[in-house]
Amino acid sequence: NAGVTQTPKFQVLKTGQSMTLQCAQDMNHNSMYWYRQDPGMGLRLIYYSASEGTTDKGEVPNGYNVSRLNKREFSLRLESAAPSQTSVYFCASSDIGRGADTQYFGPGTRLTVL
Amino acid sequence: GESVGLHLPTLSVQEGDNSIINCAYSNSASDYFIWYKQESGKGPQFIIDIRSNMDKRQGQRVTVLLNKTVKHLSLQIAATQPGDSAVYFCAEGSNYQLIWGAGTKLIIKP
Repeated sequence: NAGVTQTPKFQVLKTGQSMTLQCAQDMNHNSMYWYRQDPGMGLRLIYYSASEGTTDKGEVPNGYNVSRLNKREFSLRLESAAPSQTSVYFCASSDIGRGADTQYFGPGTRLTVL
Repeated sequence: GESVGLHLPTLSVQEGDNSIINCAYSNSASDYFIWYKQESGKGPQFIIDIRSNMDKRQGQRVTVLLNKTVKHLSLQIAATQPGDSAVYFCAEGSNYQLIWGAGTKLIIKP
């Protein structure tokens, strides 16, 4: 099992450009999450999907959109990137109800917006 | 708003000693608490969790203690090793969301 995979690993954008971060998990988890982590900070939840077909806002959703494409995949889109969105983005998944709200994380995408 | 925070941003421990990382939380309704380890350049990795109906839980070399009276959570690492060097985050969970603290950096002295 690969666990949680994210693409790309690194990305540099200019202000105003758009891009989609991809995430996939092969653990048959119901729930998936997108976080951002700024230097020296904890993670902040952007959006989550409790189950296939549903998405909900987290703590910092402004400037982002998400799509739960199927049970495996959960993408994050920046429509018009801003320098304030420079961060490391982590995708995670969990299987609610099996003794774990434990979230399993991908390796992250390091995004720089110039 | 509700928050989870850590008392110390950096903890320096001699190799072989025990480490104790502390965390305060403010939402008394939270029913799930979890510790993650994050090594440089990697995503967070689950260490151990505890439900609010427990006050102690042990794993391999790690113990989590929960004191609901003072809303305090701690992570104890026995016989700290160089591989334990990382940033440790506590988080409280409810309604699918984890609220994360800022993290404590654990440094191991040889």
